Amino acid sequence: GNSVTQMEGPVTLSEEAFLTINCTYTATGYPSLFWYVQYPGEGLQLLLKATKADDKGSNKGFEATYRKETTSFHLEKGSVQVSDSAVYFCALSRSGSARQLTFGSGTQLTVLP
Amino acid sequence: DTEVTQTPKHLVMGMTNKKSLKCEQHMGHRAMYWYKQKAKKPPELMFVYSYEKLSINESVPSRFSPECPNSSLLNLHLHALQPEDSALYLCASSQEFAGGRDEQFFGPGTRLTVL
Repeated sequence: GNSVTQMEGPVTLSEEAFLTINCTYTATGYPSLFWYVQYPGEGLQLLLKATKADDKGSNKGFEATYRKETTSFHLEKGSVQVSDSAVYFCALSRSGSARQLTFGSGTQLTVLP
Repeated sequence: DTEVTQTPKHLVMGMTNKKSLKCEQHMGHRAMYWYKQKAKKPPELMFVYSYEKLSINESVPSRFSPECPNSSLLNLHLHALQPEDSALYLCASSQEFAGGRDEQFFGPGTRLTVL
């Protein structure tokens, strides 16, 4: 079956530090890959996505590259801000009807001023 | 409009109450989802509707009863809940055709407390 493994949190960084959150997946076929972000007290927001190998998703300074050879989709940001403090979920979706998401366990990020 | 709205934002109910959660989207999406999320955990899929028909029920107890009155609305009827059902309930929607964009758009959730 499908599965997503994320690095364990919590992660605490100082403002302007470099961020990497590791994500690896197991899936048959060619899934789409996503990063969702959940700010305190809110629902999930799509941060970025990639639909095929070597695609790079990017948004708000965050980037992730779909690496089929290593089955990875690591999230990176060059300089984090306090406002980036949130929980980040890596997820995959197999295309087809009723596209179901398989989520990783989530990584809590806290950025200190 | 790329928004999924959910009401109410917060709900407190006793174990004998009947209440409903509502979800609405106007993006023309034909797949809609209910998730349950406990603190510090990822969302767990409960139900999927495709073209207003229930297509997936992840073995959810019958005290949760979903309803899709039309392509824009999704309800979750609650009856005789248990304290362990307290959680954030998230609604989501997505396109539903081959080749369509497959990301799900989430609402802000309803924070449910069962006393």
